[in-house]
Amino acid sequence: QQPVQSPQAVILREGEDAVINCSSSKALYSVHWYRQKHGEAPVFLMILLKGGEQKGHDKISASFNEKKQQSSLYLTASQLSYSGTYFCGTEGGGSQGNLIFGKGTKLSVKP
Amino acid sequence: GAGVSQSPSNKVTEKGKDVELRCDPISGHTALYWYRQSLGQGLEFLIYFQGNSAPDKSGLPSDRFSAERTGGSVSTLTIQRTQQEDSAVYLCASSLRTSGTGQDEQYFGPGTRLTVT
Repeated sequence: QQPVQSPQAVILREGEDAVINCSSSKALYSVHWYRQKHGEAPVFLMILLKGGEQKGHDKISASFNEKKQQSSLYLTASQLSYSGTYFCGTEGGGSQGNLIFGKGTKLSVKP
Repeated sequence: GAGVSQSPSNKVTEKGKDVELRCDPISGHTALYWYRQSLGQGLEFLIYFQGNSAPDKSGLPSDRFSAERTGGSVSTLTIQRTQQEDSAVYLCASSLRTSGTGQDEQYFGPGTRLTVT
């Protein structure tokens, strides 16, 4: 089943924070986050494996709660370059499955 | 090094015609994926190759869609008797994933924008 992302869209001022959530109805092996700018291909951000880990890079971090089957992406002190559509991709149990992507969250950062 | 390349970048075709879309993955990447993205929509999984075989074809929308991969490298996605609802951006991605392991970082190509008139 396709994971559900929320919110669908968010508008921020530069320097503000945002959280994007990704929830699944099935047990997850991993969660992947990608960002796609308008007219461009998706670009990898990070993978989180089951075990409740958290990852971060620069001012973007994420957590994965396997018990709740959900992941959250945290964008801190947002920059104009953060604008784009964020997709989570989930991989089911058994590590044999393929990524099922959510519909995306459109993030717009204004000056 | 070179990234994933796709050709053509744009394709306009008449309803009922067949089209072939090509993907050149990153050299050495064993896994190759095809996705479809309609305007404003997410990434719809179509098919996955590990080497030349396709363990998962579950995403192909109908039997008009087929794909092959040769030499563990180039892949072609063929759509026969195209319909207007086939209009979308077709994205290809590759990764280092080896059979039996979990997903690895996927590198996406620029996509082929298909318009069926």
